Amino acid sequence: RKEVEQDPGPFNVPEGATVAFNCTYSNSASQSFFWYRQDCRKEPKLLMSVYSSGNEDGRFTAQLNRASQYISLLIRDSKLSDSATYLCVVNNPDSSYKLIFGSGTRLLVRP
Amino acid sequence: EAGVTQFPSHSVIEKGQTVTLRCDPISGHDNLYWYRRVMGKEIKFLLHFVKESKQDESGMPNNRFLAERTGGTYSTLKVQPAELEDSGVYFCASSIQGYEQYFGPGTRLTVT
Repeated sequence: RKEVEQDPGPFNVPEGATVAFNCTYSNSASQSFFWYRQDCRKEPKLLMSVYSSGNEDGRFTAQLNRASQYISLLIRDSKLSDSATYLCVVNNPDSSYKLIFGSGTRLLVRP
Repeated sequence: EAGVTQFPSHSVIEKGQTVTLRCDPISGHDNLYWYRRVMGKEIKFLLHFVKESKQDESGMPNNRFLAERTGGTYSTLKVQPAELEDSGVYFCASSIQGYEQYFGPGTRLTVT
């Protein structure tokens, strides 16, 4: 079983749509959670950290459910520029700074 | 503020040759990390420096890989001798502290 599991997609949505991505992680001791965005053949860019209380940054909302070991990312009013791969990332509790990546969910926003 | 930079952006070498990758972290970032993505797989952790000290090298595949960070500034990752399975994208990241790591553009390594 992978340490971080994501639906690979692709999610193909029209501009203006709302889309949600989910992620599960296997180690209940993980303490830090992130969403990164990666454009084709580029580096991962930090989109947002995910806090226990949930957090919002403009059109993006992240939620964490520790009991279910589940993280989500909601994107409202999708833009063409949101097309990318979204990586769910958690820290390895045995080595705080070691990040564990999911394989990513691909989003395609069409006009 | 300049981001993490990596050199070269691409490298094509033959099996058995040596390659050295370089990473310059964001100025002031004591923490430096190397990650790797091989074809069709997730990005995987290789190692972590705090200043010039290796904090965690549990992800290094084998002793053909050597990372250094002399003086606590830039870092190099040497692969010697390279094997076919070493092909992939090598990312460097840095952070001040905590867990928000910022990634460089990566070095795409192809071993033929």
